[in-house]
Amino acid sequence: DTGVSQNPRHKITKRGQNVTFRCDPISEHNRLYWYRQTLGQGPEFLTYFQNEAQLEKSRLLSDRFSAERPKGSFSTLEIQRTEQGDSAMYLCASSPRSAFNRGSSTYEQYFGPGTRLTVT
Amino acid sequence: DQQVKQNSPSLSVQEGRISILNCDYTNSMFDYFLWYKKYPAEGPTFLISISSIKDKNEDGRFTVFLNKSAKHLSLHIVPSQPGDSAVYFCAASARKGAQKLVFGQGTRLTINP
Repeated sequence: DTGVSQNPRHKITKRGQNVTFRCDPISEHNRLYWYRQTLGQGPEFLTYFQNEAQLEKSRLLSDRFSAERPKGSFSTLEIQRTEQGDSAMYLCASSPRSAFNRGSSTYEQYFGPGTRLTVT
Repeated sequence: DQQVKQNSPSLSVQEGRISILNCDYTNSMFDYFLWYKKYPAEGPTFLISISSIKDKNEDGRFTVFLNKSAKHLSLHIVPSQPGDSAVYFCAASARKGAQKLVFGQGTRLTINP
């Protein structure tokens, strides 16, 4: 399976604990995105990487959240001092390098299965 | 500030008939639009997209229509099949910059036999 993978699929933690999620993108994709989805809503953008550089962060990403993408391959999302409001599905997506300047129009993002976080 | 809106939380259609899902957006900077389908416990799966330079894009049973003046797009599925039952998300992005997706709230489509 060469799609986007995420681990773990489910995480239950107690309030105040730290958690870390991992995302492995499609190998030839250099852009990686993190989104968060709560019940009844669509996914909301958190942050994105082009190779190893984190180029944009949403204001949803408080200082308790940190994301890394060492060597431009897999990415981790860490939440420190978890709160009940952090309970959500955390989705990772990847896409190939933008070909805007060459006139191509491939902008689809391919999503992993998500990590469901429950904070008790 | 909901920049992408799907005003119908649910839709029920008989098998074989046409399903029409609607989406409205407010940000005039959006120039690329996508539809994703999501089954429970899975991530969204890309279905079809359309650039703002077009007003229609077709792929098999799926057609997306874009009306830029009305800031409205729709997804037509014909004929509808039971396997189409899922939550459908409309998403939009601006091609310059991060190209992050802004999603609507989703519409749950149920295809009845």
